Amino acid sequence: QVQLQESGPGLVKPSETLSLTCAVSGGSVTSSYWSWIRQPPGKGLECIGYIYYTGITIYNPSLKSRVTISLDTSKNQLSLRLNSVTAADTAVYYCASGYENFDFWGQGTLVTVSS
Amino acid sequence: IVMTQSPATLSVSPGERATLSCRASQSVSSNLAWYQQKPGQAPRLLIYGASARATGIPARFSGSGSGTEFTLTISSLQSEDFAIYYCQHYNNWPYTFGQGTKLEIK
Repeated sequence: QVQLQESGPGLVKPSETLSLTCAVSGGSVTSSYWSWIRQPPGKGLECIGYIYYTGITIYNPSLKSRVTISLDTSKNQLSLRLNSVTAADTAVYYCASGYENFDFWGQGTLVTVSS
Repeated sequence: IVMTQSPATLSVSPGERATLSCRASQSVSSNLAWYQQKPGQAPRLLIYGASARATGIPARFSGSGSGTEFTLTISSLQSEDFAIYYCQHYNNWPYTFGQGTKLEIK
């Protein structure tokens, strides 16, 4: 069974860059699509974007100018970068397998944007 | 596409049936999934393709509908079923989720 584990700073200053990684075990990052999804505290879920190992990347238009998703096949992990963050980017960030529906999820990591 | 779930909160007794609704602002065909989320946990995929149960999901969970109207039914509520439920369409990008229905013990 695929397992995912997010990691990265829990606190980011406004206008800086949020960077997270997601380690994949029990499967290869070349075997599936991979997504990032976020959930502001007490609120609903938002798809950030997804990636396939061939290089296909699709981003939510609401974030497209600020977001980059990448894969590191040598480390079997995926990454998320979100530039110019504001308080509105405070959320639990999840990585998940798939791109239409999501069958395996990481446990999520809370990122707070605050000075 | 805006996904609207109703009701926001549903109070049901254990052993009873729960019916949760999800409406799409335009047709999403059968490209709809349901998730269960418990406090402090990631969502868990229950249903995809509007009516297909994901691996390991008990038969008491069933999904129906197509187009713009969808239903998740839990036939006999167990204590572990009290959680927040989200619908999500994947008909066209960006895929969006409903705001959730909280299923609480009556």
